[in-house]
Amino acid sequence: ETGVTQTPRHLVMGMTNKKSLKCEQHLGHNAMYWYKQSAKKPLELMFVYSLEERVENNSVPSRFSPECPNSSHLFLHLHTLQPEDSALYLCASSQATGDLLPLHFGNGTRLTVT
Amino acid sequence: GESVGLHLPTLSVQEGDNSIINCAYSNSASDYFIWYKQESGKGPQFIIDIRSNMDKRQGQRVTVLLNKTVKHLSLQIAATQPGDSAVYFCAENIPLSEGQNFVFGPGTRLSVLP
Repeated sequence: ETGVTQTPRHLVMGMTNKKSLKCEQHLGHNAMYWYKQSAKKPLELMFVYSLEERVENNSVPSRFSPECPNSSHLFLHLHTLQPEDSALYLCASSQATGDLLPLHFGNGTRLTVT
Repeated sequence: GESVGLHLPTLSVQEGDNSIINCAYSNSASDYFIWYKQESGKGPQFIIDIRSNMDKRQGQRVTVLLNKTVKHLSLQIAATQPGDSAVYFCAENIPLSEGQNFVFGPGTRLSVLP
């Protein structure tokens, strides 16, 4: 059982739809991340939030919009996506204390854009 | 057009044998390294980590070796079992001012033969 929960597990959306992915961590961590995993590329960092402030935006198109209302929750709002955005979207969390600690991942949302 | 998946290196080992999975990392400033295991339909799961001031670390049935001279990381799995079949990723941490930026390798698929 993972301490990072992602919903939904699967999502199919059209290019004109608006949807949101949700992530919740139960580990008491203070940093949260969105990663994209596609069949064509290795895991790619999209966004990093530390103490609810966005500290990294890895040149992600504006059709992806993250939101971190508190240290336990992270959202990824999606609008006017393209078929090439179909991928597994993984949320992760860590304790950003200045020490070196691993990321803990959820099981992802499998997104298909039609 | 036809989509082309990422070609993952594959390692096939006999059950009971030892496995060695290799990884080359890119950044000499990376200070922390992790091996993750990803099974089908799940997110990456932490296996073992090592800091850059170490060259070897052992866990239960797993050992990670770090060679900073040639920027090489390896994961050794002793007495490989069918449940070890998965994709294995190495990740290097490139320090940020806040949070962590893990860069992941493309992964190696481990198949355990009965």
